[in-house]
Amino acid sequence: EAAVTQSPRSKVAVTGGKVTLSCHQTNNHDYMYWYRQDTGHGLRLIHYSYVADSTEKGDIPDGYKASRPSQENFSLILELASLSQTAVYFCASSDQGANTEVFFGKGTRLTVV
Amino acid sequence: QEKVQQSPESLIVPEGAMVSLNCSFSDSASQSIWWYQQHPGKGPKALISIFSNGNKKEGRLTVYLNRASLHVSLHIKDSQPSDSAVYLCAGANYGNEKITFGAGTKLTIKP
Repeated sequence: EAAVTQSPRSKVAVTGGKVTLSCHQTNNHDYMYWYRQDTGHGLRLIHYSYVADSTEKGDIPDGYKASRPSQENFSLILELASLSQTAVYFCASSDQGANTEVFFGKGTRLTVV
Repeated sequence: QEKVQQSPESLIVPEGAMVSLNCSFSDSASQSIWWYQQHPGKGPKALISIFSNGNKKEGRLTVYLNRASLHVSLHIKDSQPSDSAVYLCAGANYGNEKITFGAGTKLTIKP
């Protein structure tokens, strides 16, 4: 089965600090995504990428940067963490985009204090 | 931007019962509709998808899509305690990679 691995699984960060969330997939998929999940809001797309060295903005990109150095790896960077960025973050991959099955990682619980 | 509303927010049923979950979309932009299952502490996992009007059956799952009314439903036959999870409805739009998720329905199956 398709595998998406996220690290760390949980993190506590201080306000104003830099946070990097990492994601690695072994599916040979072209598309990778970063979502955040908040109670009552469902999953919201932050950034996505369909090829290495290129990223695209999703629905809520403000305060986040993304990096796709290779097909397998996709990082989410919070340059200046804020309290409002406390959430669970999911990385995902898919073979041919949104209309094909999306495989999610187990998530990273980020708490900003 | 498309919105997805799910109902009910939560549901408790006895083991063996038929479960019906509902999802409404604000417009017809989504080309495909997906149902995901999410257990506590896990990422969502795709269960079933539908692209055209009508219904699709896979095992104990049946999904109905009515594009005219912008409504989709998921029915789980012979529910099991292991079906207890949050169910997310999502509409996907190829080209802009927009997958819009609903807030989910928390399903509890009582043994």
